[in-house]
Amino acid sequence: DAGITQSPRHKVTETGTPVTLRCHQTENHRYMYWYRQDPGHGLRLIHYSYGVKDTDKGEVSDGYSVSRSKTEDFLLTLESATSSQTSVYFCAITVSRGGTYEQYFGPGTRLTVT
Amino acid sequence: GENVEQHPSTLSVQEGDSAVIKCTYSDSASNYFPWYKQELGKRPQLIIDIRSNVGEKKDQRIAVTLNKTAKHFSLHITETQPEDSAVYFCAASRYGGSQGNLIFGKGTKLSVKP
Repeated sequence: DAGITQSPRHKVTETGTPVTLRCHQTENHRYMYWYRQDPGHGLRLIHYSYGVKDTDKGEVSDGYSVSRSKTEDFLLTLESATSSQTSVYFCAITVSRGGTYEQYFGPGTRLTVT
Repeated sequence: GENVEQHPSTLSVQEGDSAVIKCTYSDSASNYFPWYKQELGKRPQLIIDIRSNVGEKKDQRIAVTLNKTAKHFSLHITETQPEDSAVYFCAASRYGGSQGNLIFGKGTKLSVKP
C-alpha cells in the first residue's frame, strides 16, 4: 500500500461548512495527488503537489484548495462544502521503482455533504 | 488537454473466457498507460502498465497492447475467474508516470459468471 493513509475515512457534513481531508505518507515521496471519484466520471484530478509548498491545479480544482507544509502530509480543503462535492476522495503518490514510476492510491475518504 | 475514452462500460463474460477492454487517447504526447483494478469499496490498484516504447506487455493472464499510431491501448484478460470481477480503469499521461496528471477513462465494470 506504499504507506499511504487518509483521514477521516468517512465524513458527513452540512452545506456551507469547511472540511479538511488529510493524506499522510511515510516514505518521503515527492509527488502527491488528490482525486475525486464519482459514478460515471471515473477518477478526476483535483490538485497535486510536487514538493513542500509546491502545488498545482488539476482538471476539477474549483471549490478546493490544498496545502503541503511537510513532505508527508497533503491536505485538501473544501472552503464551503456543497452537495456537488459529495464524493469519494482518493489521495495518491508516485513511487519510483527500479527506474520506473507508478502511482499508488490511498484507501479513500467518503464525504457526504447534506 | 488529454481525453481518454474507455469501452465498454460494462462487460459480462463466462468464467474461463477472455475479456478485452479498449481505450483511446487524444494527446499524441502521452507516453505512459497504466491500468487499475478497483474492487467494490476498495482503492484502485495498479495491475499493469505500458510505456510508449513498447507494443505489448504480459503478466500471467493479463496483457496490454498499445497502438501509438491509432492512439489506442487495450487490456486483455485470459482464462477469466470470478475474482477478476471488478471495475477496471485505463489512464494516460504524457510524463512517463514520473509525475501526476493521469487522465482516466470512466471505467469498465467486468462481471465474470461462474
